[in-house]
Amino acid sequence: AQSVTQLGSHVSVSEGALVLLRCNYSSSVPPYLFWYVQYPNQGLQLLLKYTSAATLVKGINGFEAEFKKSETSFHLTKPSAHMSDAAEYFCAVTSRTGNQFYFGTGTSLTVIP
Amino acid sequence: DTEVTQTPKHLVMGMTNKKSLKCEQHMGHRAMYWYKQKAKKPPELMFVYSYEKLSINESVPSRFSPECPNSSLLNLHLHALQPEDSALYLCASSQPVVRNTGELFFGEGSRLTVL
Repeated sequence: AQSVTQLGSHVSVSEGALVLLRCNYSSSVPPYLFWYVQYPNQGLQLLLKYTSAATLVKGINGFEAEFKKSETSFHLTKPSAHMSDAAEYFCAVTSRTGNQFYFGTGTSLTVIP
Repeated sequence: DTEVTQTPKHLVMGMTNKKSLKCEQHMGHRAMYWYKQKAKKPPELMFVYSYEKLSINESVPSRFSPECPNSSLLNLHLHALQPEDSALYLCASSQPVVRNTGELFFGEGSRLTVL
């Protein structure tokens, strides 16, 4: 079965600092990988996705993620944090043959002024 | 603006009430999902409909009853709920993975409080 692990349930960064949210997946075959963001009392919004076209994926709001097969990782980064980036972030994986999504446990990002 | 619409946004009900949550999408997606989410937790899959047929039921108690009247609509009927059922209920839709990447499109959610 697919799974993802998000290291760090809570990350705090200063405004303007680098954001790094970690995600590792377990799969013998490269899956499809996603990062979602959830603001308070809202649904999940897709930030970016990896579908094997390119290992460096750019998403919305200045976020990007790099797929590293050797490390089974798909970490999310943003060069400079904004206050508006404070939210819950979920990494997710799905296989190429099924409709099952598997979410990580989430990382709550706090941005300090 | 989200392309998956959920109503109502907020619902308060007693344990003896019967209510329904509704979800609608017009993206032509053929898979629709109900998730339950507790605060600071990832969404938990409840049901999946694929081509209007129930394909996954994650051992959800019978007090939750899903319905998919057509390819655009998804309902969740609620009856005799417990206070621990209070949560954010999220609807999502996608194309089947074999046709594209199968990313999920979420609605804004229905915040349910059971008294």
